[in-house]
Amino acid sequence: DAKTTQPDSMESTEGETVHLPCSHATISGNEYIYWYRQVPLQGPEYVTHGLQQNTTNSMAFLAIASDRKSSTLILPHVSLRDAAVYHCILRVAGAEGADRLTFGKGTQLIIQP
Amino acid sequence: GPKVLQIPSHQIIDMGQMVTLNCDPVSNHLYFYWYKQILGQQMEFLVNFYNGKVMEKSKLFKDQFSVERPDGSYFTLKIQPTALEDSAVYFCASSTAGGAAEQFFGPGTRLTVL
Repeated sequence: DAKTTQPDSMESTEGETVHLPCSHATISGNEYIYWYRQVPLQGPEYVTHGLQQNTTNSMAFLAIASDRKSSTLILPHVSLRDAAVYHCILRVAGAEGADRLTFGKGTQLIIQP
Repeated sequence: GPKVLQIPSHQIIDMGQMVTLNCDPVSNHLYFYWYKQILGQQMEFLVNFYNGKVMEKSKLFKDQFSVERPDGSYFTLKIQPTALEDSAVYFCASSTAGGAAEQFFGPGTRLTVL
């Protein structure tokens, strides 16, 4: 899978909207963009994913650049519970059997009260 | 949402002993995974498992490691014998399909090898 680049950390305040960037300049046409988050002492939690179009769910909005070389995870009205390490991961769609999530260091999101 | 359970939450054993980590995956899931995370480091893929077979394993999946899911019960990771460097948190995950299907993670088992 192609690599992603994320800032080591970002800081925000409760109630604000947070934009978490991810760069994936070598993304392939069949690679989905996945976001997971992890808090200490827990397993990673799925946030969202997309291929080409922007996507939205109850947790976040994923904005994907038209050339797909970058994406931004947008968290509206963050609370203290949104503090976590956010991972941007590329995965090949349709591959049967062999599959893995390749985690990097991710972005540590710090939320101030 | 769907829950993956892991038993025990914490295991302390002496180096050289055998240990079995248990994972209770989401009931209708078919693909199973183990990941390893050493304290303060990023999570690393160990192995995935489907239809009774290991499909892919990483370099971290040493010969001392084995996985199985007998009769659709727990998905287990066995380490025999254990080494000091096996101390880590081991996360189990499951998914309905392979490829790009969402993986659901358990809370992890913290293994301490003395």
